[in-house]
Order: sequence, then structure tokens, then C-alpha cells
Amino acid sequence: AQSVAQPEDQVNVAEGNPLTVKCTYSVSGNPYLFWYVQYPNRGLQFLLKYITGDNLVKGSYGFEAEFNKSQTSFHLKKPSALVSDSALYFCAVPSSNTGNQFYFGTGTSLTVIP
Amino acid sequence: DTAVSQTPKYLVTQMGNDKSIKCEQNLGHDTMYWYKQDSKKFLKIMFSYNNKELIINETVPNRFSPKSPDKAHLNLHINSLELGDSAVYFCASSLRTPAGEQFFGPGTRLTVL
Repeated sequence: AQSVAQPEDQVNVAEGNPLTVKCTYSVSGNPYLFWYVQYPNRGLQFLLKYITGDNLVKGSYGFEAEFNKSQTSFHLKKPSALVSDSALYFCAVPSSNTGNQFYFGTGTSLTVIP
Repeated sequence: DTAVSQTPKYLVTQMGNDKSIKCEQNLGHDTMYWYKQDSKKFLKIMFSYNNKELIINETVPNRFSPKSPDKAHLNLHINSLELGDSAVYFCASSLRTPAGEQFFGPGTRLTVL
């Protein structure tokens, strides 16, 4: 069964510092991996996805993620955090056999401290 | 132009009542979903419809009944509301492909008193 895990409930980072939000995956076959962001009182927004090809994926708002097959990880990164990046981040993987039903991680709350 | 819209945004009701939440997407997607997000922010799929046909029905009480009149709409009707139904319900849509990202509505915060 496809699944993702987000080991950190909360990540705090100072404004201007690099940020990393961690995600590990367990999938059969080639993985499709996604990151979504949820701002307070809003729906989830798509940030980026890995399908195939380059291990470094660039997405919205200056975010990128690195696919690492040997470590089964897909960590979200940004070189310089902004206070406006404070939000809830979800890693997700689609089901392998029911179309694109998504399994979401438990979410990581990112707080960027001014 | 709102891509995925839900109404109402807030819903406060008494236990035992019946309520509906409506969802519409104007993205031309063929698949729509309902998710439940609990107080701990865990997100769980409830239903998925592809071209008006149910393709996923996770373990939810049969008090929850989705209805898709056409590809652009997926409504959620809830009978005999219980305290535990209090949550935020999100509608989403996508193209039916594992590589297709989902677009989410703004959510409906349901509070059952």
C-alpha cells in the first residue's frame, strides 16, 4: 500500500534561514509524490510534484523538493524562509490502483519567526 | 473565477439534523472528492466520483451520502448529524490520472451542537 510519513509535527525556523520539511514514502513501483500547503482557514494548494526525471523539483513560491530514492525521501525545501510561509504542509502520494486517490501525510506545521 | 467552490463556508446545527454541503468545479475535471479534516488536521478521503460514478467509498457511516448530478458538481448530504461529525469538509477535483494534482475548495466548517 502507498503511504507517506511526516516525522515532524512542528518546524520552527527564523526568517531568512533555509527551511526543510521532511517526508518519507513507501510505495510500490515508481513513486508520484506531491506537496501541498494549507494556509489558515483555507483549502489545500498544490505546491509541486515529482513524476519522473530530475530529482530536484521546483514549485510555487520558491519551494523545491528533492527526491531521494535510496532514502525514500521527498523533503520540501526553501533557501530563505519568509514569515508568509508559515502554514501547514502536507506530503501526499496517489493510490496505485484507484485512480488518483491521495494518501496524505499527517501534516507539518511550519512557523517562520520574524 | 473560483476553481472549486463550496457552500456554505460555515454550518452550525443541532444533533440529529440533516444538512447538505454543495461543491462545484469549473476546471473541466472528471473526478471529484470529499475529504474530512479533523481537529488534529488529519485529512482523510471520504468519497471519490469519476464522471458521476462512485469510485471510492472509504469507511464512512451511511449517514453520509454523496450525490453527483453532473461532472462539475458533487454534493454531500449528511443525515442524523452527530457530535463527531464536527470537522472541516473539503471538496476537491482533478483529472483522473496518478500524476494529476488535486484542486481544493475553501472548506466547510461543520459544527454539531
